[in-house]
Amino acid sequence: EVQLVESGGGLVQPGRSLRLSCTASGFTFGDYAMSWVRQAPGKGLEWVGFIRSKAYGGTTEYAASVKGRFTISRDDSKSIAYLQMNSLKTEDTAVYYCTRENSGYSYAFDYWGQGTLVTVSS
Amino acid sequence: SYVLTQPPSVSVAPGQTARITCGGNNIGSKSVHWYQQKPGQAPVLVVYDDSDRPSGIPERFSGSNSGNTATLTISRVEAGDEADYYCQVWDSSSDLPVFGGGTKLTVL
Repeated sequence: EVQLVESGGGLVQPGRSLRLSCTASGFTFGDYAMSWVRQAPGKGLEWVGFIRSKAYGGTTEYAASVKGRFTISRDDSKSIAYLQMNSLKTEDTAVYYCTRENSGYSYAFDYWGQGTLVTVSS
Repeated sequence: SYVLTQPPSVSVAPGQTARITCGGNNIGSKSVHWYQQKPGQAPVLVVYDDSDRPSGIPERFSGSNSGNTATLTISRVEAGDEADYYCQVWDSSSDLPVFGGGTKLTVL
């Protein structure tokens, strides 16, 4: 059974940093690109960024709203994806979801974690 | 960047058919994915590649895509279908994913 479990959320002051983790199980993690998607309170889904599999260079892409502040990395030996968030702003307050991209589904996000809440406030 | 437009809300009586649209410039040339999100839960993929269903998704959920509009159709709507629904595509110009604003489906 595919499972994605996020951790690391919490309350953080503006300008500070936080690192989220996404621990995967039930599939060969290294074969898949992984994305982070967030949802501000009462708002819709916003894609944050993704990391390709090593087979595709392990490169990353980011939404304009977080580029230069957020960094995604992965440790295939541990089946974990990370989201390093620096210079946090109040508008980064959201539930952050880890998702798997399925190339067989035209890169739809076929599995999602339960999400972890990040609150940026002084 | 590519914009997807969804109606904020759709209402339907139980047993009827709900249609949720997703508008975008020449969206018919793209693969559209649909997600269902119930309150307090993570999104769930219900339709991918315009009209395919992942395993475990009822046949009542179907999709179509042509021209400038993609549509998620839910037949024989049940109370449990009440949720927010989001469409999503990959923007071919940026090669990045884009979500629609979401549609709240209310079952009367």
